[in-house]
Amino acid sequence: AQSVTQPDIHITVSEGASLELRCNYSYGATPYLFWYVQSPGQGLQLLLKYFSGDTLVQGIKGIEAEFKRSQSSFNLRKPSVHWSDAAEYFCAVGGKNTNAGKSTFGDGTTLTVKP
Amino acid sequence: ETGVTQSPTHLIKTRGQQVTLRCSSQSGHNTVSWYQQALGQGPQFIFQYYREEENGRGNFPPRFSGLQFPNYSSELNVNALELDDSALYLCASSRNLAGAGYNEQFFGPGTRLTVL
Repeated sequence: AQSVTQPDIHITVSEGASLELRCNYSYGATPYLFWYVQSPGQGLQLLLKYFSGDTLVQGIKGIEAEFKRSQSSFNLRKPSVHWSDAAEYFCAVGGKNTNAGKSTFGDGTTLTVKP
Repeated sequence: ETGVTQSPTHLIKTRGQQVTLRCSSQSGHNTVSWYQQALGQGPQFIFQYYREEENGRGNFPPRFSGLQFPNYSSELNVNALELDDSALYLCASSRNLAGAGYNEQFFGPGTRLTVL
């Protein structure tokens, strides 16, 4: 069975500081991996995705994530956090073809940004 | 291009009642997936509809059912509501092409269901 673990329930960083959000996954085949962001009252917005190839993936808003197969991890990084980055972040794993769009999500990490 | 829309925004029901939630997919999308997001948790996959047929189901009981219409909009129906059904219900649409691997899902804002 596939699963996603986000070890940090809540993270607080100062504005301008760097950010790393952790994600570990379990999946029986080559995974498709995603990071989403959810602001209060909003749906999920895709930040970036990994399917294959280069293990360092660039997304929107200056975000990147690195796929490490040996560690079953897909950690998100941002070099400098802005106050507007405060939100809930979800990592997800999914499949392809007939399993496309049936993603398993972690329970999220809440990011608070201090001025 | 109109995004994914859901109605209603909020809903309050009592235990034992039935509810119908609606989702309009993004133009050109033929697949809708429904997720349940309980407070403090990540979304959980309920089921997916592809070209009006159910195309996979998560670990949810049969009282969760759905429909997809010829215009690819979709409904989620929940019978015999329980307190634990209180959650944010998200739908996501995508344009899945046979053998194309993966197509990006676009999420709606969700329907907040409260069961009293």
